[in-house]
Amino acid sequence: TAGITQAPTSQILAAGRSMTLRCTQDMRHNAMYWYRQDLGLGLRLIHYSNTAGTTGKGEVPDGYSVSRANTDDFPLTLASAVPSQTSVYFCASSPDSSRQYGYTFGSGTRLTVV
Amino acid sequence: GENVEQHPSTLSVQEGDSAVIKCTYSDSASNYFPWYKQELGKRPQLIIDIRSNVGEKKDQRIAVTLNKTAKHFSLHITETQPEDSAVYFCAAPSKTSYDKVIFGPGTSLSVIP
Repeated sequence: TAGITQAPTSQILAAGRSMTLRCTQDMRHNAMYWYRQDLGLGLRLIHYSNTAGTTGKGEVPDGYSVSRANTDDFPLTLASAVPSQTSVYFCASSPDSSRQYGYTFGSGTRLTVV
Repeated sequence: GENVEQHPSTLSVQEGDSAVIKCTYSDSASNYFPWYKQELGKRPQLIIDIRSNVGEKKDQRIAVTLNKTAKHFSLHITETQPEDSAVYFCAAPSKTSYDKVIFGPGTSLSVIP
């Protein structure tokens, strides 16, 4: 089934450790996004990529980094996790960055930093 | 900062009744307006969208209406069923960033059997 695959589904991570959340799509979408969702705070954009080879900062980028080496993959890395990064992380994609299309979301990664 | 407002934040209706959620945006140049449904523990999913060249769009029991003059669009769900219980998000283009959208804070809909 076409769509976005995220891994892992959930993870418990010790504070100070690093981790990479994986995101792969097979729809050949140019634009990809990473959001975090916290209760009462809705969906907040962390980083985005309008096309392979380019990335940009969203609303809450501190403590996170991304890369976009090809069209399909958009990993999110936490260099040194802190408890405030406990959240549900969603990867999303769109055909392009024109804002003329809806987003397709992955199933999410539930991360707990202890 | 800019934001997208949704009202109400919570909504409880009896099964079979209608539900309406309103979304207000700020960028008058916006021309694409989606609604997403997120069931508990699941991902947000696009359920309906509308472009600025039409005032209303329907898909079975759901519809979206757009008022560009007032800068708001609304989600209408008729003959609600328990499986409509979810959080609904609207989204609109950012006024300050040409390539970003802003999600509304969400409306939690409960359909009481």
